[in-house]
Amino acid sequence: DAGITQSPRHKVTETGTPVTLRCHQTENHRYMYWYRQDPGHGLRLIHYSYGVKDTDKGEVSDGYSVSRSKTEDFLLTLESATSSQTSVYFCAISGTANTEAFFGQGTRLTVV
Amino acid sequence: GIQVEQSPPDLILQEGANSTLRCNFSDSVNNLQWFHQNPWGQLINLFYIPSGTKQNGRLSATTVATERYSLLYISSSQTTDSGVYFCAVEYSGSRLTFGEGTQLTVNP
Repeated sequence: DAGITQSPRHKVTETGTPVTLRCHQTENHRYMYWYRQDPGHGLRLIHYSYGVKDTDKGEVSDGYSVSRSKTEDFLLTLESATSSQTSVYFCAISGTANTEAFFGQGTRLTVV
Repeated sequence: GIQVEQSPPDLILQEGANSTLRCNFSDSVNNLQWFHQNPWGQLINLFYIPSGTKQNGRLSATTVATERYSLLYISSSQTTDSGVYFCAVEYSGSRLTFGEGTQLTVNP
């Protein structure tokens, strides 16, 4: 299994509070991604990173920010959580673009 | 952006039956992957198959890139095959785009 750890695995938070999700990898892969999964939508890309301090937006980036200060860590921040951000969040890694991607176990976030 | 359509959306089988899942995509791709999401939510890599045919045990996959589709074959299905099967594609300038999946239920 690819060495990807997401934390926390489950979180309940209140509307308006900041939340940070962490993805840690031990594979030294260049690319890291954050996806969200909602019923009826499959997985949708939020943000991705193609190197330390190099990030770009995905399909559903509004309300989210990311940071990557080290190769192994990719953080996803919800500055002010809303109920529409209740979802399951997956981190993924790949060595280069257009190569096989591997996913973490997911973080279930509930915003009440 | 690229469109990814999976069919059928739902499939119910008896244990031992065979099935074929289809993934159509609207543009040329550099990467195509099949995933199985088990009932616990974990995404398991099945195949990395931008073109050609691969087999892994009871599962096999074929991608015909020129005709923009991929097929996932499951033979002699088992209850542990239940879950959602996703196709995801990547094309120039994009990242993995997922279809909405096929929900497979295998009954004993």
